Amino acid sequence: AQKVTQAQTEISVVEKEDVTLDCVYETRDTTYYLFWYKQPPSGELVFLIRRNSFDEQNEISGRYSWNFQKSTSSFNFTITASQVVDSAVYFCALSALDNYGQNFVFGPGTRLSVLP
Amino acid sequence: GAVVSQHPSWVICKSGTSVKIECRSLDFQATTMFWYRQFPKQSLMLMATSNEGSKATYEQGVEKDKFLINHASLTLSTLTVTSAHPEDSSFYICSATRQGGYRSNQPQHFGDGTRLSIL
Repeated sequence: AQKVTQAQTEISVVEKEDVTLDCVYETRDTTYYLFWYKQPPSGELVFLIRRNSFDEQNEISGRYSWNFQKSTSSFNFTITASQVVDSAVYFCALSALDNYGQNFVFGPGTRLSVLP
Repeated sequence: GAVVSQHPSWVICKSGTSVKIECRSLDFQATTMFWYRQFPKQSLMLMATSNEGSKATYEQGVEKDKFLINHASLTLSTLTVTSAHPEDSSFYICSATRQGGYRSNQPQHFGDGTRLSIL
């Protein structure tokens, strides 16, 4: 069975602080995809990143960075110098590599509030 | 721009009404589309997998007679909530898989969601 855990239900930070959102996953598959999505108050899902299980390289995109560690089954997301516009719910998700990664399992989400 | 269009974005209707939600892939053919439901302050839960030209596959606990799915073409899937009741009020999101999409960073494209409120 696949499962995604995001232990932090809600986080509040002050603008310009760095914040890390945790994601721990469980899967019996040896190959899989991991994702992060942002859901602002308007509701749409904004794709942030996909990482496949073969690639453990960390990634940086602007103020965003991701730390993938297979040894601990974690795929954490860090926002550097947070801004008010970063306030949203962030979902970590897992999908199997078979069926072209169609079967998504979402974590419960972390609600991030960035205060001015 | 959006590659998956979902309509309507917001519906308010009376209890007992049936509501149809459309999900369209705009610039690609999608043999498979997915329907998710999200209750307030909760995560997205997969309801069903919609396959073009065949019956949908429903997740455990989802009533197929309550949530009718039709995927009559490669670009359109519809979800009809029949005889809706207040407990069906939720945010419904569809997604579509672009053929060959596993090669890209986004194997699935999500619609913007439909907020359904049953009075």
